Amino acid sequence: KQEVTQIPAALSVPEGENLVLNCSFTDSAIYNLQWFRQDPGKGLTSLLLIQSSQREQTSGRLNASLDKSSGRSTLYIAASQPGDSATYLCAFKGEEYGNKLVFGAGTILRVKS
Amino acid sequence: EAQVTQNPRYLITVTGKKLTVTCSQNMNHEYMSWYRQDPGLGLRQIYYSMNVEVTDKGDVPEGYKVSRKEKRNFPLILESPSPNQTSLYFCASSPGDGYTFGSGTRLTVV
Repeated sequence: KQEVTQIPAALSVPEGENLVLNCSFTDSAIYNLQWFRQDPGKGLTSLLLIQSSQREQTSGRLNASLDKSSGRSTLYIAASQPGDSATYLCAFKGEEYGNKLVFGAGTILRVKS
Repeated sequence: EAQVTQNPRYLITVTGKKLTVTCSQNMNHEYMSWYRQDPGLGLRQIYYSMNVEVTDKGDVPEGYKVSRKEKRNFPLILESPSPNQTSLYFCASSPGDGYTFGSGTRLTVV
């Protein structure tokens, strides 16, 4: 059974810090990995999608990397802002799971002004 | 605007009263899916559909039904809701790579 783990579970940082969110998965047969942001009680907003053939993807202040051999993905947020406060979820799509996404429990991020 | 639209956003109902949560996407995606999100349990897949008239169970299908008569629509049906189906529900669609999620439906069954 595929398991996706996100560390840390919660993070509180002052504005301006660079930070790293971690996502690990047990099945190396990855198809792609998608990072989402979720604001309290709201829907999921897609941030970055990394295919298994890619090492990283960038969008503005966000950079996501993928290391298949170690079963890890990291989301790097540069120069964090209070508006970045949200829950960040990683979702694994495996070659053997059809189109199902397996989600981590999320990292709750609070950026203090 | 490309989007997945769910309705209603909020719903309070009583045990046993049949309800339908609608989901519609305007991106011509073949794949659609329903998830529920619960504290401590995260997001779990309920049902999914690979295309019109093709549906299958996810991880937690008990108490739910779905149908896919048109490509754009994928309603979630609770024929006899129970309090343990109180949850935040999300519909998602995908062309094969990457998913777009709806804004969610918060359902409370009393």
